Amino acid sequence: GDSVTQMEGPVTLSEEAFLTINCTYTATGYPSLFWYVQYPGEGLQLLLKATKADDKGSNKGFEATYRKETTSFHLEKGSVQVSDSAVYFCALSFNAGKSTFGDGTTLTVKP
Amino acid sequence: DADVTQTPRNRITKTGKRIMLECSQTKGHDRMYWYRQDPGLGLRLIYYSFDVKDINKGEISDGYSVSRQAQAKFSLSLESAIPNQTALYFCATSDLTQAGGAETQYFGPGTRLLVL
Repeated sequence: GDSVTQMEGPVTLSEEAFLTINCTYTATGYPSLFWYVQYPGEGLQLLLKATKADDKGSNKGFEATYRKETTSFHLEKGSVQVSDSAVYFCALSFNAGKSTFGDGTTLTVKP
Repeated sequence: DADVTQTPRNRITKTGKRIMLECSQTKGHDRMYWYRQDPGLGLRLIYYSFDVKDINKGEISDGYSVSRQAQAKFSLSLESAIPNQTALYFCATSDLTQAGGAETQYFGPGTRLLVL
C-alpha cells in the first residue's frame, strides 16, 4: 500500500537557521504531495502542495519540490522563526482517493 | 467562524461508557473523515465518507462506528470506551473538485478524549 516516511524528530533549531525536513513516499503511480502544519492546540492546516513531478510548492517562506526520481518531497525554509515551531506532516493523495500521512516531525525553534 | 467544528473539545469518560464525538462543516464538501492522533504514530484513519450514503472503514475502525446524518455532519461513536482509545481525534473534510485534483483536507480543531 501507499506510505509516507518522514525524518524522525524532534528537530530543534536556533532562530534564523536553515530547515530541512525529509519526506519520501511509496506509491503506485504519481500522487499529489502535501505538507501540513499543526500548531500547538490546533488541527492540521495545509502549508503547501504539489500535483506533479518537478512542481514546487511554496508558502510562508517554506518550499518543497516534487522529485519523482527520488520519490521525495523535502520541506525547506531558509531562515526559521520561533513562530514556525509546530508539528509538520507530509502526505500524499490520489484523485478520488483518501490521504496517507507521515508520522509527523516536531520542530522547535529557540530564540 | 470556523469551517470545521468539533464538539466536545475535551472529554473525560470511564471504561465501558458510550460516547459520541460530533463534527460539523460549512465548507459544502462531500467528503468527511475521522482520524485519531497518538504521539509518535501520526494520523490514523478511522472512518471516511465520500457522500451521505457512503461510509467506509479506515485502518483502525474496530471499536468505533460513524453516522453521516447530512452532508454537513459526521459523528464518531465509541460504543464501549476503553483506555487505549485515549487520543486526540480529528475530523476533516475535502473536495475532489479542487483544481488539479489535489485533494486538500481541512481539519477541525480536534477533540481530546481521555478514557479512565
